[in-house]
Amino acid sequence: EVQLVESGGGLVQPGGSLRLSCAASGFTVSSNYMSWVRQAPGKGLEWVSVIYSGGSTYYADSVKGRFTISRDNSKNTLYLQMNSLRAEDTAVYYCARARYSSSVVADYWGQGTLVTVSS
Amino acid sequence: SYVLTQPPSVSVAPGKTARITCGGNNIGSKSVHWYQQKPGQAPVLVIYYDSDRPSGIPERFSGSNSGNTATLTISRVEAGDEADYYCQVWDSSSDHPLVFGGGTKLTVL
Repeated sequence: EVQLVESGGGLVQPGGSLRLSCAASGFTVSSNYMSWVRQAPGKGLEWVSVIYSGGSTYYADSVKGRFTISRDNSKNTLYLQMNSLRAEDTAVYYCARARYSSSVVADYWGQGTLVTVSS
Repeated sequence: SYVLTQPPSVSVAPGKTARITCGGNNIGSKSVHWYQQKPGQAPVLVIYYDSDRPSGIPERFSGSNSGNTATLTISRVEAGDEADYYCQVWDSSSDHPLVFGGGTKLTVL
């Protein structure tokens, strides 16, 4: 059974850092595309970052240069390192398996972890 | 980067058919995926590759895609279908490859 479990969210001051983790089971993270998607309170889904199976990474303009997506193959875990956090980064952060065929579809999602950036 | 446009809200009476649109430039040339999100829950895939249904999704959910509009159709709408629905495409040529629509709130009257 495929499962994704996020952790690492919490309250952080503006300018601070946080690292989110997404532990996967039932499939191999390194063989798949993996993505982070966030949702600010009362807002829609916003794509944040993706890492391809080959290791290429891409970021939304709103987080580029501040966030880093990575994975630990030995732990089958996806990460999102978030630096220089701003109030507008406050959101629930979801990790998702981005299954690739001729397109990319987020077929499994974690339950989400809440990040609150506030003084 | 590619932009997807959805109506903010759609309302439908129980037992009727709801249609939620997703507009994009020549979207018919891309594969469209649809997600359902209920309050406090993670999104759930309901339609992928324009019209395929994951296991466990009722046949009442269907999808189509042509020209500049993709459509999610929910037949015989039930109260439990009330949720936010998002369309998504993969823009392979872009540095921002995963694109979501703004979402549509489906209200069952």
